[in-house]
Amino acid sequence: RKEVEQDPGPFNVPEGATVAFNCTYSNSASQSFFWYRQDCRKEPKLLMSVYSSGNEDGRFTAQLNRASQYISLLIRDSKLSDSATYLCVVNPYDKIIFGKGTRLHILP
Amino acid sequence: EPEVTQTPSHQVTQMGQEVILRCVPISNHLYFYWYRQILGQKVEFLVSFYNNEISEKSEIFDDQFSVERPDGSNFTLKIRSTKLEDSAMYFCASIPSRGNNEQFFGPGTRLTVL
Repeated sequence: RKEVEQDPGPFNVPEGATVAFNCTYSNSASQSFFWYRQDCRKEPKLLMSVYSSGNEDGRFTAQLNRASQYISLLIRDSKLSDSATYLCVVNPYDKIIFGKGTRLHILP
Repeated sequence: EPEVTQTPSHQVTQMGQEVILRCVPISNHLYFYWYRQILGQKVEFLVSFYNNEISEKSEIFDDQFSVERPDGSNFTLKIRSTKLEDSAMYFCASIPSRGNNEQFFGPGTRLTVL
């Protein structure tokens, strides 16, 4: 099982729709979880941390399921500017492990 | 807003040459990281650095690689004898302290090995 696994997509979604991504991780000792977004040829930027109880930031909701070892990201009312690659990031100890990312295209 | 900076933005070198990639982390941050991203592939952890020593490194970070914080502000990645497969985007990142912290990434250095 890969350390962090994501569906690469692409997800082609009409503007205004809701879209969800999952990410699975293999190291049960992982303590911190994040979603980053990466635009083409740019550096990753933090979208949100993922907390055990789940958390919401505007149109974005993140969930963590430790028993099944996955995290999810839900984007509501998607905007054209949401088009990017979404990276799942898991942090066991001092090592940071990125998923390969899920590409999202929002269609006008 | 403070930010991580990296120089150069693009480095072209011949195979077998040494390169040094430079990063200036955010000034009150204590943990520093290097990552690489080969075109079309995922971001890969190379090394983490704290208190002037390596705290964790990946299998990629072999004897060809070294890191240094020579003067309290710069954080450098040296590749001793570059190979074609070292061509990638190299990102530096920093965080203020260990814990559930956002990693602040620099804009990256694109390394092209010919």
